[in-house]
Amino acid sequence: KAGVTQTPRYLIKTRGQQVTLSCSPISGHRSVSWYQQTPGQGLQFLFEYFSETQRNKGNFPGRFSGRQFSNSRSEMNVSTLELGDSALYLCASSLLGSGGLYTQYFGPGTRLTVL
Amino acid sequence: DAKTTQPTSMDCAEGRAANLPCNHSTISGNEYVYWYRQIHSQGPQYIIHGLKNNETNEMASLIITEDRKSSTLILPHATLRDTAVYYCIVRGPWGSGGGADGLTFGKGTHLIIQP
Repeated sequence: KAGVTQTPRYLIKTRGQQVTLSCSPISGHRSVSWYQQTPGQGLQFLFEYFSETQRNKGNFPGRFSGRQFSNSRSEMNVSTLELGDSALYLCASSLLGSGGLYTQYFGPGTRLTVL
Repeated sequence: DAKTTQPTSMDCAEGRAANLPCNHSTISGNEYVYWYRQIHSQGPQYIIHGLKNNETNEMASLIITEDRKSSTLILPHATLRDTAVYYCIVRGPWGSGGGADGLTFGKGTHLIIQP
């Protein structure tokens, strides 16, 4: 089975611009989560989508948003980019197993640099 | 989710078993122990999970103490490619995150395999 794929892998933007990142989950996985990883804050949960609905959200400003499509593919959008948004953005998909087992499988990430 | 404590870094000789400890003294009865690792700038890789019994797969073994307050991840024959940051995460079933789901990553253990 193909793993989680993310596009693009690298992206350079300038302050004030917006960006859209894409994630294709493992076939059959309906839960997609997004994380931000920075050297200072480590890996932090952004939000999770399940069946096209945002189920949960981490502690990030409204500039960070996402959506999920009927085929479970997901996009996240960051508007009005700030220098501090430079990070590795990771997508993870999950096949919710019996008992609600929550094993997540991560993609390679998108490295966003904001200049 | 229960908090975990891991050593900041560890060394291990190539070919030897690497034993990575994790303390999770506040773990609840329905919380699983997950292990992930992250090789520099790549997405985290799922290794193994367990509830209370010891588990083994093709990558590693997980030993959970009887009181479930600590666990050890064992890489039986470490290679240079096992150099990575290893994260121990305790997590309840999906939907039990209290409104902010997702995995909570700490700082992990930086395992360095020495030739």
